[in-house]
Amino acid sequence: AQTVTQSQPEMSVQEAETVTLSCTYDTSESNYYLFWYKQPPSRQMILVIRQEAYKQQNATENRFSVNFQKAAKSFSLKISDSQLGDTAMYFCAFRNNFNKFYFGSGTKLNVKP
Amino acid sequence: EAGVVQSPRYKIIEKKQPVAFWCNPISGHNTLYWYLQNLGQGPELLIRYENEEAVDDSQLPKDRFSAERLKGVDSTLKIQPAELGDSAVYLCASSAGTAPDTQYFGPGTRLTVL
Repeated sequence: AQTVTQSQPEMSVQEAETVTLSCTYDTSESNYYLFWYKQPPSRQMILVIRQEAYKQQNATENRFSVNFQKAAKSFSLKISDSQLGDTAMYFCAFRNNFNKFYFGSGTKLNVKP
Repeated sequence: EAGVVQSPRYKIIEKKQPVAFWCNPISGHNTLYWYLQNLGQGPELLIRYENEEAVDDSQLPKDRFSAERLKGVDSTLKIQPAELGDSAVYLCASSAGTAPDTQYFGPGTRLTVL
């Protein structure tokens, strides 16, 4: 069975600085998809960024980028130039070949002014 | 384009009462998911539909939970009878059903069982 581990329950960062959220996963599959979702205090989950496992190039979306290390089964999220609106819970998710999603326990990010 | 719609947003009931949640997915999305999210934790899948067929309900407590997705569009999740431990947020998500198959989530229903 696949598992997703987020080892940082809570993190803080100063506004305008950079922060990296960690995620590791366990799978025996070779082709899969990885996602980072953001859940602000209003609770609606929003997609931040996604990565196809067969792509070596790390995905980037504006201030958000990932460091995908397939051999290490690591998928970290880097947020550059942190903004107050980035304050939220961040969930790492894994999608297997059977279209089933597994979520980590989340990292609560606090961006301080 | 309208997002995933869920209702009600909040529900407070007493234990042993029935409760139902409704979800309308994004138009054209064939796959629909119901998740349970406890405070401070990630979503846990309850059931997944591909059109009107429940293809993964292995985590659904079938003694008290039921779900349906008539005509492969809207879906209803029911709990009868509710227990104190059912207090949580119930999230609905939908996806197009083709890789990478990004899920789009609704705002959720926060259930409180007294």
